[in-house]
Order: sequence, then C-alpha cells, then structure tokens
Amino acid sequence: EIVLTQSPGTLSLSPGEGATLSCRASQSVSSSFLGWYQQKPGQAPRLLIYGASSRATGIPDRFSGSGSGTDFTLTISRLEPEDFAVYYCQQYGSSPYTFGQGTKLEIK
Amino acid sequence: QVQLVQSGSELKQPGASVKVSCKASGYSFTSNGIIWARQAPGQGLEWMGWINTDTGNPTYAQGFTGRFVFSLDTPVSTAYLQISSLKAEDTAVYYCARKVWGVYYFDYWGQGTLVTVSS
Repeated sequence: EIVLTQSPGTLSLSPGEGATLSCRASQSVSSSFLGWYQQKPGQAPRLLIYGASSRATGIPDRFSGSGSGTDFTLTISRLEPEDFAVYYCQQYGSSPYTFGQGTKLEIK
Repeated sequence: QVQLVQSGSELKQPGASVKVSCKASGYSFTSNGIIWARQAPGQGLEWMGWINTDTGNPTYAQGFTGRFVFSLDTPVSTAYLQISSLKAEDTAVYYCARKVWGVYYFDYWGQGTLVTVSS
C-alpha cells in the first residue's frame, strides 16, 4: 500500500499570499496518477487536480499541481478567502487508492 | 448537470444494519463506476472500494470485506452501501463519488451520509 504523507499539517497564511502544500509518497506513483481535493467544513471533497498537474473543470488557474515519482506539490497563488480549507492528495496508480492525511490551510 | 444525492443521516444501535443510497443523475449511470469513501469524525478520507455500474462487480478495499456490501439498482441509477453488525467505530460520514472512466480519481461526490452507531 502506498502511504501518502502531507506537509505541513497546518498552514497559516493571509489572503493574497501564496501557499505551497506537499505530498510525499512511500513509493513511486505510477504515471503521475496523483490528485488533489479540497474539503470545506461540512462539505464533500471537491476535485482540484488530476494527473498531478491537470486542473479539473471549473478550477481557477491560481491552483496548480506539479511533481512526479514520490514528490508532489499543490500551489495556490494569491489566496482568496474561499481557499481556506483542508486539502487532500490521493494516489490512484495502485490499489488501494489511498489519501493523504490532509493539510489544513487556515487564515492567519 | 451531474449530481449524486445521498440518503439522510442514520442513528443505529450496535449490531444493527444500515443501507445508504446514492442516486445519480445528469449522466449515463453505467458509464462510470461508483466509489465509496469513509471519513471518521475529525479524520481524513479512506477509500472503501468501488462498484462497476456496468457489470455490478464490486471491489472492496482491505478492511472493508465481510460486513460491507456494495449494490446497485440500475433502473433508478442508484448505488447502495450496506453495513451489517454495526460497531461504534463505524460512526463516520460515508461518501459516494463518481469514478472517472478508466482511472481511479473521483470527479463528482455525493453530499455525504452521517451514520452514528450508539446505544
């Protein structure tokens, strides 16, 4: 089973700043099959990024993904108030299709 | 537009069973699999497995065999998760989501169903 470790656990930033979230896999994720989801309190997760770097439909271009192998990054430029949430990475290269433990992005 | 609408919250006693529904609309139900995920209170997401909506074949992740059953009612575009012999540790929000064809990421999610197991 591929274990995904996200860092930091909590990130405190102000609107307008940029955010960098990390996701490290315990073994290589094949074909960069790595996705990112955003979850706000009381809501379902929302797909942001798939294939490590492709934005899902309707996702603003301030969200970008990068990485390959075992190291992946979600970057949010110019944080908007609605971006403060929990972010999860998920690998879908090999079963079981595991999620990271999440990074909470909070307002400073 | 694509929508997945889940059934409402459930309060069950230990040992009972529960059946959560997930009704899909806005797309061809048999074209995309449905996955189930669990989120315990204050915790992260856990993939439980998926069901092929074309063949009805379920696949269960480790730790979700035996008491967990995925099923379909294809004419009404609905997937089900049934959990039997409920335990307190089954208390969680259960999500269904649409699996993108050919890969295992999930582009549309249900709103979640809270299952509380308590005496």
